[in-house]
Amino acid sequence: GQQLNQSPQSMFIQEGEDVSMNCTSSSIFNTWLWYKQDPGEGPVLLIALYKAGELTSNGRLTAQFGITRKDSFLNISASIPSDVGIYFCAGQLDQAGTALIFGKGTTLSVSS
Amino acid sequence: EPEVTQTPSHQVTQMGQEVILRCVPISNHLYFYWYRQILGQKVEFLVSFYNNEISEKSEIFDDQFSVERPDGSNFTLKIRSTKLEDSAMYFCASSELGDDEKLFFGSGTQLSVL
Repeated sequence: GQQLNQSPQSMFIQEGEDVSMNCTSSSIFNTWLWYKQDPGEGPVLLIALYKAGELTSNGRLTAQFGITRKDSFLNISASIPSDVGIYFCAGQLDQAGTALIFGKGTTLSVSS
Repeated sequence: EPEVTQTPSHQVTQMGQEVILRCVPISNHLYFYWYRQILGQKVEFLVSFYNNEISEKSEIFDDQFSVERPDGSNFTLKIRSTKLEDSAMYFCASSELGDDEKLFFGSGTQLSVL
């Protein structure tokens, strides 16, 4: 099946640092979504992107829909302990009626 | 804030038994989904449902799986004869508009098949 390559797999950072993670694919997507998952919980939507080149912020989070439509990145500025969790990118292929495909996730650890 | 609710939160069953996982999607949403996540792995699509029928399903969603919207609020996933490899967290999700729209997930049902 289609693959989303999400990197890095894990990150260990100090509180206050900025974080960047990304997803790439060989396929073209028409939607990119970024989710955060806390232990024992379902994914919670952070940011949704619908247009190539779109740059969207949600508080300290910023995400961009790559201009080639094959990638997206998520930045977190000035990280805090509650940013800890698993971040998933999810994309919808540029075909009608296709389900979301998830990346394998980036596990973020923040030390204070 | 409206949310997707799932019951039970944990389900333990013997191999070969039938299980039904239940979900109440957000009330004004029209598109419903089941995803699963095996421990430590990514979230995988199982099935989408709209207008009382399956609109898309993955290779995982074989004849052992079925979905139903028995009334105006519930959306269920049935596994007829569970296998060990069915052990996973099962997430229900819903969206208002379907394609190109944001999915909202429930907290999941952790299924353990012994």
